[in-house]
Amino acid sequence: AQKITQTQPGMFVQEKEAVTLDCTYDTSDQSYGLFWYKQPSSGEMIFLIYQGSYDEQNATEGRYSLNFQKARKSANLVISASQLGDSAMYFCAMREGTGGFKTIFGAGTRLFVKA
Amino acid sequence: DAMVIQNPRYQVTQFGKPVTLSCSQTLNHNVMYWYQQKSSQAPKLLFHYYDKDFNNEADTPDNFQSRRPNTSFCFLDIRSPGLGDAAMYLCATSRPETAETDTQYFGPGTRLTVL
Repeated sequence: AQKITQTQPGMFVQEKEAVTLDCTYDTSDQSYGLFWYKQPSSGEMIFLIYQGSYDEQNATEGRYSLNFQKARKSANLVISASQLGDSAMYFCAMREGTGGFKTIFGAGTRLFVKA
Repeated sequence: DAMVIQNPRYQVTQFGKPVTLSCSQTLNHNVMYWYQQKSSQAPKLLFHYYDKDFNNEADTPDNFQSRRPNTSFCFLDIRSPGLGDAAMYLCATSRPETAETDTQYFGPGTRLTVL
């Protein structure tokens, strides 16, 4: 079974608008971490934001926020005020407390920001 | 600036001709990872070093080897590249407190072409 599911292969958003990228996860661990990475066409994976399973507050980093709904096992990324430079592939990822050092990645969502 | 550097950015090799990709880091991180990423797919972990301890993923082909001569450098050796090994190879580093809080920092990647 998929442990990380990103159901949106591609998304379009108008510049300056907000966009939500969906991510659901599946784990039986009580302790886990959720990550979002951005990958522009150049190829480099850029860390955006982290949410721990025990964190009660949703994580925020500048224009990025993580809408963490633990009971629903979802960790959606919200990008506010989209910019043309936000056009990229976005990966949701998870580390399980019992999973060692293996990061589980979703299939990714390609975001296109329109001028 | 502290960073993860990969050389070369682009590598062309011939079928069956050994090739070495390199990764260096100035972050003083104790964990280094190698990922293979094929077009429009999520990165796939090949192996990682925790300090000097080498950890191979069960499904990593024997054709792929790695060396870490010191904290700063890590090499990926592909002994006999096949056409199916053409991909982007990503190096990442981290200094984890726990497995689930482990944020990885990636290099720009090396795009390998096999002729």
